[in-house]
Amino acid sequence: KNEVEQSPQNLTAQEGEFITINCSYSVGISALHWLQQHPGGGIVSLFMLSSGKKKHGRLIATINIQEKHSSLHITASHPRDSAVYICAVGNYGGSQGNLIFGKGTKLSVKP
Amino acid sequence: SQTIHQWPATLVQPVGSPLSLECTVEGTSNPNLYWYRQAAGRGLQLLFYSVGIGQISSEVPQNLSASRPQDRQFILSSKKLLLSDSGFYLCAWSYATGYEQYFGPGTRLTVT
Repeated sequence: KNEVEQSPQNLTAQEGEFITINCSYSVGISALHWLQQHPGGGIVSLFMLSSGKKKHGRLIATINIQEKHSSLHITASHPRDSAVYICAVGNYGGSQGNLIFGKGTKLSVKP
Repeated sequence: SQTIHQWPATLVQPVGSPLSLECTVEGTSNPNLYWYRQAAGRGLQLLFYSVGIGQISSEVPQNLSASRPQDRQFILSSKKLLLSDSGFYLCAWSYATGYEQYFGPGTRLTVT
């Protein structure tokens, strides 16, 4: 079993729909990251959170530490939101600070 | 502001040939530096990280090596490429351990 599981693997939505992508993890973490990978491959960090909820524009990320679960929501989705969304967890208690990544959720938003 | 550069953007190399990918960061000092690989159909995997000049930690035994000859330069190398080395290689930096990581544009490597 992977330490970081994302669902769904693929998601197709119509423009304007509310989108939710889920991430579950099985290890102890210090923080969880949501990343966006565009078709060209470039990766942008969207959120880093260790508790509660963060909002940036139409994007909202939540985390429940007790349930080891995080969600990424996109309100009023747009075709430019089409990308792969990657969840990653980090445990920074050690010296490494490395991240463990999910396999990503491929989102396609149709006009 | 800080920027991170990687080159080349794409590379096609034959099996057995050497490899050198370079990553540089501008606008910050003594960053943590990371090399990741994303193989087809798989998630990102950390290959190497560095907390300072000459300090390299390897996460996965493999055909690759990394070096940090200068504070803001991180190099990924191989003496002889394997087919399984094909993938998308990403460099990233952070201010320190536990901080948000910022990714470079990546290098797509195809080993033929």
